[in-house]
Amino acid sequence: NAGVMQNPRHLVRRRGQEARLRCSPMKGHSHVYWYRQLPEEGLKFMVYLQKENIIDESGMPKERFSAEFPKEGPSILRIQQVVRGDSAAYFCASSPTRGAEETQYFGPGTRLLVL
Amino acid sequence: AQKITQTQPGMFVQEKEAVTLDCTYDTSDPSYGLFWYKQPSSGEMIFLIYQGSYDQQNATEGRYSLNFQKARKSANLVISASQLGDSAMYFCAMREDQGAQKLVFGQGTRLTINP
Repeated sequence: NAGVMQNPRHLVRRRGQEARLRCSPMKGHSHVYWYRQLPEEGLKFMVYLQKENIIDESGMPKERFSAEFPKEGPSILRIQQVVRGDSAAYFCASSPTRGAEETQYFGPGTRLLVL
Repeated sequence: AQKITQTQPGMFVQEKEAVTLDCTYDTSDPSYGLFWYKQPSSGEMIFLIYQGSYDQQNATEGRYSLNFQKARKSANLVISASQLGDSAMYFCAMREDQGAQKLVFGQGTRLTINP
């Protein structure tokens, strides 16, 4: 019974390159959330997706960041033209349905380092 | 707007003692969920315990219990008989039933268990 899977676990990019982070939710989960964690801080919400739909992207920077959750395959968080300030841990979480009582289960995270 | 406050940046406890990690929250939504997550040095986010706003009894999961005081808007985590493996960052989080389905996290408390 696999949990939430994320890859890669570590990603190093030079300024100006693109970063692609992948997330496969738990089996049976159709709701995916992306969070970002800066060093020594709590997680900050970025985007909430269901299959083929972005439900809430209120936490996403307006430029360079995009997310998708296609009908087939993992959810992708894409960061174009990365800058040093994008260095952080990016976590994906999934839940089976929506609602305040639904637990979000997290993947191991992707640590992005921008040189 | 929802807000989570954890006022203890760090705590040091002797092994086998009980420890209480503080969490206060603010929300105008009558229906919400409160969650605690553990983040060990390896970085993953581990779900510990959940409390619903309408739950009459405090949640318990093994050595973890949640001291829920709704009128005070507090949701403290109690760990009984602490173990060395409990050393980690602990995050309190809240999710409202209305609107965005995001989790809002506190800044975290770093717990260190001394032998």
